Amino acid sequence: ELKVEQNPLFLSMQEGKNYTIYCNYSTTSDRLYWYRQDPGKSLESLFVLLSNGAVKQEGRLMASLDTKARLSTLHITAAVHDLSATYFCAVDKTPSNTGNQFYFGTGTSLTVIP
Amino acid sequence: KAGVTQTPRYLIKTRGQQVTLSCSPISGHRSVSWYQQTPGQGLQFLFEYFSETQRNKGNFPGRFSGRQFSNSRSEMNVSTLELGDSALYLCASSLVCCTDTQYFGPGTRLTVL
Repeated sequence: ELKVEQNPLFLSMQEGKNYTIYCNYSTTSDRLYWYRQDPGKSLESLFVLLSNGAVKQEGRLMASLDTKARLSTLHITAAVHDLSATYFCAVDKTPSNTGNQFYFGTGTSLTVIP
Repeated sequence: KAGVTQTPRYLIKTRGQQVTLSCSPISGHRSVSWYQQTPGQGLQFLFEYFSETQRNKGNFPGRFSGRQFSNSRSEMNVSTLELGDSALYLCASSLVCCTDTQYFGPGTRLTVL
């Protein structure tokens, strides 16, 4: 069974600092997704990474994918309070064009302290 | 453009009962997936529907079932409810498939007493 591990599980960081969240997965896949979830809310799509070496950036967040290492990273630059949330990575198990079957990581709960 | 909607938002049932949850995808989206979110097990994939056909299925017992209608709306049903079925059930829709972004609804919070 596909395993998706995120670390750290909890992250408390000061405003203005940089940090990286790691997402490791156990089987070959070239489709990886990052989502954000605020308390009591649903999931908001952040990034879709579809090939080895893919890098996407939006504001203070940058995501990358290394399919050979089975590793994705979510890098936070100069954190601000508004980034406090739980971040999930998800790996799609299915071969291309046969639908979606996401396996989610455990989530990283990020708290940005003023 | 309206997002994914789920009804009801909250539900309380007792053990042994059955429940039906509904999901309306974003207009034009044809793929609908369902997920269960619990503090202990995290987010787990239930099933995915496309063009009224179940395309993928997760590792859940047969008590969990679903269907999709011709207008892409989807329902999931849980029969013979157990305490462990208490969870947030999330529905997600995407345009067609596979590399499209999945957009999640607000979820239905099911409590089983």
